[in-house]
Amino acid sequence: ETGVTQSPTHLIKTRGQQVTLRCSSQSGHNTVSWYQQALGQGPQFIFQYYREEENGRGNFPPRFSGLQFPNYSSELNVNALELDDSALYLCASSLDRTGELFFGEGSRLTVL
Amino acid sequence: ELKVEQNPLFLSMQEGKNYTIYCNYSTTSDRLYWYRQDPGKSLESLFVLLSNGAVKQEGRLMASLDTKARLSTLHITAAVHDLSATYFCAVDGRGQGNLIFGKGTKLSVKP
Repeated sequence: ETGVTQSPTHLIKTRGQQVTLRCSSQSGHNTVSWYQQALGQGPQFIFQYYREEENGRGNFPPRFSGLQFPNYSSELNVNALELDDSALYLCASSLDRTGELFFGEGSRLTVL
Repeated sequence: ELKVEQNPLFLSMQEGKNYTIYCNYSTTSDRLYWYRQDPGKSLESLFVLLSNGAVKQEGRLMASLDTKARLSTLHITAAVHDLSATYFCAVDGRGQGNLIFGKGTKLSVKP
């Protein structure tokens, strides 16, 4: 059984660019949640996808958007990157909307 | 707004000593999580506490939950260097799988 996998692991972008981060959920899990973790802080909830629909969103602007595909994998898209978007982006999958989260290794984004 | 506060934020311990990390949260919740994070790594699930009075133990770590006091504790017994990491508590305040995390407790265990 494979766990949650994320790609890319590291990337560097410049201000104003756009980025797409990808996540494959654990086998049998239909829910994916995304979190942003700035350096030295706890993770902050961005949004959750359940069966291809957004199911809850944290306090993030609309330039943060996402998708979930029929195989329950997911993408996080961030437009018009800002310096403060530099962070570790964590994807977590769960059996359902309220199940225990299993986190991937994260994608570390640096915005210059 | 649900808030989760951990203390202390930094903890330096000697090997062999005991200590407790505290996690307070501001609204009712019946689900609390403890995670461990090593530098540059992802979150490793340690404990899921689902009811008042729940107590779970794994090795030198023991977690408990008091929902009436809105308090969870993570107790470290006879610390060893391998326990050095950052520990987070997280609460599912709305029961919808959207976790609110504390700021974390950075634990350093020294010989």
